[in-house]
Amino acid sequence: AQSVTQLGSHVSVSEGALVLLRCNYSSSVPPYLFWYVQYPNQGLQLLLKYTTGATLVKGINGFEAEFKKSETSFHLTKPSAHMSDAAEYFCAVTYTGRRALTFGSGTRLQVQP
Amino acid sequence: KAGVTQTPRYLIKTRGQQVTLSCSPISGHRSVSWYQQTPGQGLQFLFEYFSETQRNKGNFPGRFSGRQFSNSRSEMNVSTLELGDSALYLCASSDGANPWDTQYFGPGTRLTVL
Repeated sequence: AQSVTQLGSHVSVSEGALVLLRCNYSSSVPPYLFWYVQYPNQGLQLLLKYTTGATLVKGINGFEAEFKKSETSFHLTKPSAHMSDAAEYFCAVTYTGRRALTFGSGTRLQVQP
Repeated sequence: KAGVTQTPRYLIKTRGQQVTLSCSPISGHRSVSWYQQTPGQGLQFLFEYFSETQRNKGNFPGRFSGRQFSNSRSEMNVSTLELGDSALYLCASSDGANPWDTQYFGPGTRLTVL
């Protein structure tokens, strides 16, 4: 069975600092990986996804993630945090033959001025 | 294009009642999925419909059901509500049926069961 682990339920950074949100997955077959962001009282918005090909994926709002098969990781990064990045971030996985997304427990990002 | 819309946005029900939630996908999208979000269990998959057929179902009791209409709009129904059904119910639509196709989420319906 596949699963997703997000290390750190809360992460706090200063404005302008590097953002690093960790995601490790467990899948016996090649995964499709996603990062979503959720602002208060809103649904989920896709930041980026990895399907096949280039392992470094660039998304919206300056975020990027690197698929590392050997480490079963798909960490999300942003070079410089902005106050508007404060939200909850979810990593999700699926694979061929399965449409349902399996989500991690989420990481709440706080950005300090 | 307009995004995924869900109605109502908020609902309060009492135990034992039933509830119907509605989802209108992005125009042209034929796949609709439903997820339940709770503080304790996180985001969990309920079911997926494609062209009016249920293709996948999560591990939820039979009290949870859904359907999709010919215009791709979808409804989910929860019968005999329990306190534990209080959650944010999210609908997502996709223009394809592949696992790698992006799922676009609506704002959700927040259900409170008293």
